[in-house]
Amino acid sequence: DIVMTQSPLSLPVTPGEPASISCRSSLSLLHVNGHTYLDWYLQKPGQSPQLLIYLSSKRASGVPDRFSGSGSGTDFTLRISRVEAEDVGVYYCMQALQIPYSFGQGTKLEIK
Amino acid sequence: QVQLQQWGAGLLKPSETLSLTCAVHGGSFSGFYWTWIRQSPGKGLEWIGEKHHNGNSNFNPSLMSRLTISVETSKKQCSLRLTSVTAADTGVYFCARGHSTSGFDSWGQGTLVTVSS
Repeated sequence: DIVMTQSPLSLPVTPGEPASISCRSSLSLLHVNGHTYLDWYLQKPGQSPQLLIYLSSKRASGVPDRFSGSGSGTDFTLRISRVEAEDVGVYYCMQALQIPYSFGQGTKLEIK
Repeated sequence: QVQLQQWGAGLLKPSETLSLTCAVHGGSFSGFYWTWIRQSPGKGLEWIGEKHHNGNSNFNPSLMSRLTISVETSKKQCSLRLTSVTAADTGVYFCARGHSTSGFDSWGQGTLVTVSS
């Protein structure tokens, strides 16, 4: 199985400041079709996860442009250009290249 | 705006069968993988399996022997059955809509399932 490792696990951020979360996979997520199967999700307190980024860098519908995803192969980053109070929650990366799909441990973003 | 509404028994005894259903409102059922994911304190988010409306399916090998996922296109519903549950199956179960190249873009509200004698 592909193992997903996130860092940091806890991320205190001052509103208006940038934030970044790293995700590393145990195997390259590049498919022969050219797509890189790495998604990012945010689970706000008391809610279901919501899709932020798919295929490593594509923003999902309705996601603010302060969120961006980058990376390739085994190393990926989610960046928030200016954190807002509504961004608190747990962020997960997930690989969708190989069955069983697998998630990182989660990164809890909190406001300072 | 697609909405997923899920329901099912929340308290089970060991060896019983977990059964959950997810109904799709306001969106297409065709062309998507209907997926089940669970969340537990010990194991985080765990992908359980998925079924396409055309019948194609993929399952987590660790659960495959106990798992059935079915879809009923006419009712726009997807169902999960997990047999012989143990305490390790305790958690919040989510249904989600997936597409092969665009992630899980809609999620149900989650159902807490507790397995206890």
